[in-house]
Amino acid sequence: AQKVTQAQTEISVVEKEDVTLDCVYETRDTTYYLFWYKQPPSGELVFLIRRNSFDEQNEISGRYSWNFQKSTSSFNFTITASQVVDSAVYFCALSEADYNAGNMLTFGGGTRLMVKP
Amino acid sequence: DTGVSQNPRHKITKRGQNVTFRCDPISEHNRLYWYRQTLGQGPEFLTYFQNEAQLEKSRLLSDRFSAERPKGSFSTLEIQRTEQGDSAMYLCASSFTENTEAFFGQGTRLTVV
Repeated sequence: AQKVTQAQTEISVVEKEDVTLDCVYETRDTTYYLFWYKQPPSGELVFLIRRNSFDEQNEISGRYSWNFQKSTSSFNFTITASQVVDSAVYFCALSEADYNAGNMLTFGGGTRLMVKP
Repeated sequence: DTGVSQNPRHKITKRGQNVTFRCDPISEHNRLYWYRQTLGQGPEFLTYFQNEAQLEKSRLLSDRFSAERPKGSFSTLEIQRTEQGDSAMYLCASSFTENTEAFFGQGTRLTVV
């Protein structure tokens, strides 16, 4: 069975601070995908990144960066120089990497990020 | 194309009534997924379609839940004999293939009174 744990239920920072959102996962699959989604107050889940389990390289996209460590089953997300617009709930998710299971996502409970001006 | 569209955005119904939600995926997206999200939780997978074929439905919450995608385009999710525990946000997503990212709609919020 797959499981995703986001231990931080809520984080509050002041604008321009860096913040890291933690994600720990469990799976018996040898190949899988990891995801991060953002859910702003409007409710729509916004795709941020997908990472294949074979690719442990860290990734940076603007102010966002992701640290994937297979040895600790973690896929953490860092926002540098946070902005008020980053306020949202962030979800980490996991899926098997095969034809039938693709995008059948197992989500964590989410981390609510509040960025104060 | 403005993305995945869900209707209605909000639905209030009395316990015992049937409700149907509609999802229009992004054009040419072959896969369509339904998720349920209760307050303060992450979305929970329900079912998905590859074109008109429903390839996974074992995770539908009970036999009161059913989904269709008759022509491989839009999909409907029906809940029969609604219960208060069905109150949740129902999310639809679509992707071009199993190997490309899924895009979500804004959801239908169901309240059963």
